[in-house]
Amino acid sequence: SQQGEEDPQALSIQEGENATMNCSYKTSINNLQWYRQNSGRGLVHLILIRSNEREKHSGRLRVTLDTSKKSSSLLITASRAADTASYFCATENQAGTALIFGKGTTLSVSS
Amino acid sequence: GAVVSQHPSWVICKSGTSVKIECRSLDFQATTMFWYRQFPKQSLMLMATSNEGSKATYEQGVEKDKFLINHASLTLSTLTVTSAHPEDSSFYICSAGGQPVAAYYGYTFGSGTRLTVV
Repeated sequence: SQQGEEDPQALSIQEGENATMNCSYKTSINNLQWYRQNSGRGLVHLILIRSNEREKHSGRLRVTLDTSKKSSSLLITASRAADTASYFCATENQAGTALIFGKGTTLSVSS
Repeated sequence: GAVVSQHPSWVICKSGTSVKIECRSLDFQATTMFWYRQFPKQSLMLMATSNEGSKATYEQGVEKDKFLINHASLTLSTLTVTSAHPEDSSFYICSAGGQPVAAYYGYTFGSGTRLTVV
C-alpha cells in the first residue's frame, strides 16, 4: 500500500524557476527519502531527512520535514531542463524493512 | 557507492511463457532485496521482500506462484514471472536495502526491466 500523497501530481515550469513538491504521509517515521526517476528508468536517491531533522540541503535541493503535520517538501531551485523527471517521496514500512512510495510528482522543465 | 545491476532492461515475451529478471549487487552484499512493480504513470508498488537463504515475503495481493523470487546468494536475487499474461506487462524494479547504511544513505535501485507480454 502507498504511504502517502504527493502534490502536485504534475508541475510544469520554465528553466530558472523554482519547483516545490509536497509529500504527506500517514504513519510515524524514522526518516523520509526523496527519489528521482527519469522516464522508464530506475530510481536515484536524492536526499534523506531523519525524523529529528527539520531541513536539509544538497546542492540545489532543499527538503523540509514537519513531523507534526506528517508532511515534507522538496524544493529544487534554479531548475534546469535536465531536472525533468518524476519525483517520489518514500518512507520505510512499519517493519522498517522496505520503502513505501508516494504517488509522485511529474516535473517538466522547459527551456 | 553501492551499485545494483538489473537485467534485462527490457524483454518481450509470448503469453504463457516465463521470464526471469536478475538483480545483482555489484560491490556490496545485499542481505535483503526488494522487488517493485510500476504501471505507467503510477508509483512503485512493493511486491515482495527477499532475504538471502530464506523464502521471500510477499505483499498482500501478490501471487507467490506467479512471481517466483529466489535469493540464493548475497549478490543475486531473481524474479521469475511464470506463465506471463498481457496484464503482467509492467516495469519491474529491484532494490537492495535493509542494511544499516541504507537507513542513512537511502536504498539503491536497479535500472528496471520493462516487460511486455504479447
